[in-house]
Amino acid sequence: GAVVSQHPSWVICKSGTSVKIECRSLDFQATTMFWYRQFPKQSLMLMATSNEGSKATYEQGVEKDKFLINHASLTLSTLTVTSAHPEDSSFYICSARDPDRGAYGYTFGSGTRLTVV
Amino acid sequence: DQQVKQNSPSLSVQEGRISILNCDYTNSMFDYFLWYKKYPAEGPTFLISISSIKDKNEDGRFTVFLNKSAKHLSLHIVPSQPGDSAVYFCAACCGGSQGNLIFGKGTKLSVKP
Repeated sequence: GAVVSQHPSWVICKSGTSVKIECRSLDFQATTMFWYRQFPKQSLMLMATSNEGSKATYEQGVEKDKFLINHASLTLSTLTVTSAHPEDSSFYICSARDPDRGAYGYTFGSGTRLTVV
Repeated sequence: DQQVKQNSPSLSVQEGRISILNCDYTNSMFDYFLWYKKYPAEGPTFLISISSIKDKNEDGRFTVFLNKSAKHLSLHIVPSQPGDSAVYFCAACCGGSQGNLIFGKGTKLSVKP
């Protein structure tokens, strides 16, 4: 089946530094990838949608200059949290969509626990 | 405004009994509904889905029912097993959008031995 690899699975960084999270589709080409954020006991909230070769579309309230998304190839999208602050501590999850499988083609990465100290 | 709602944050069920997880939605344009299972510190895994043109889909112990007129769907797990203990997310898709999933807040299911 479709596999999405996300890493790192957890990261601790100092306030003010930047952190990059990678999301790779291992056995399919994902023209669209999604980045979600989950706060404790909350739902998965869509942050942005990235399409290969074009700029990401950010959801309302998500700072595009803070959360940089790059989708340079059909199998890799990256999320960089710039100048991280403690309030950015959260669980970040990517999802890649296999266009050949329609609405059933969403596969999620295993998530990244970010802690900013 | 939440388009997908899971009003029960938690549910506790005895092993062997039926678990029923509910989900309501507001957007009549949604055309696919999906259920995901999530363990702590892991990404969600796909469980079962249903197209809006159907009212029932069954896969082993899991059955999803869709009531379009009520904008309501439910996931039935029978018999429930301790390994089913997880957070279950209802998600809706598409209907003319660029295809991102809209998630409910999840329901934490605990199956007690």
